[in-house]
Amino acid sequence: DTGVSQNPRHKITKRGQNVTFRCDPISEHNRLYWYRQTLGQGPEFLTYFQNEAQLEKSRLLSDRFSAERPKGSFSTLEIQRTEQGDSAMYLCASSLVSASSYNEQFFGPGTRLTVL
Amino acid sequence: AQSVTQLDSQVPVFEEAPVELRCNYSSSVSVYLFWYVQYPNQGLQLLLKYLSGSTLVKGINGFEAEFNKSQTSFHLRKPSVHISDTAEYFCAVTWGGGGADGLTFGKGTHLIIQP
Repeated sequence: DTGVSQNPRHKITKRGQNVTFRCDPISEHNRLYWYRQTLGQGPEFLTYFQNEAQLEKSRLLSDRFSAERPKGSFSTLEIQRTEQGDSAMYLCASSLVSASSYNEQFFGPGTRLTVL
Repeated sequence: AQSVTQLDSQVPVFEEAPVELRCNYSSSVSVYLFWYVQYPNQGLQLLLKYLSGSTLVKGINGFEAEFNKSQTSFHLRKPSVHISDTAEYFCAVTWGGGGADGLTFGKGTHLIIQP
């Protein structure tokens, strides 16, 4: 399977704990995006990377959230001191973008976070 | 703030009937439009996209959508639905980066196909 993969698929944690999610994009894709989806809502954009550079961050990305893409391949999203309001599905997407062409964002299956 | 509105949270339709799912957005300046489908326990899949050119866009699974700049709308249509079309449908928009920036999604419309 050469699609976008995310690990873990499910994470249950206690309030105040730190969690880290991983996203592996499609191998040749240079852009990687993170979104959050709560129950009954559409995905909300969090941040995206062009190769290893983080180019845009949403105001939804509080100081407790940090994302990295150290080698321009996989990415991690860490949430520190989790709160119950962080409970959501965290989606990763990737795309191949150049100055002259656009390709769609391909989404992974998501990581469902439950904060108790 | 720029926004996307999907007015219908649920749309029940009989099998083989036509369907229209509505989407409106807040600004038509340099807008790029998408429809995604999410089947239960699966990731989002792109149905179709409008980046430029013809305002009538055809996608997968017999779906099509029309970009209407004056009404800031991008409604999704299918002439005859099947049970397998039961899913959540999301309209998404981006206003920059040639369509490659982060997407703003609507809240989704649950399409329910009745036999």
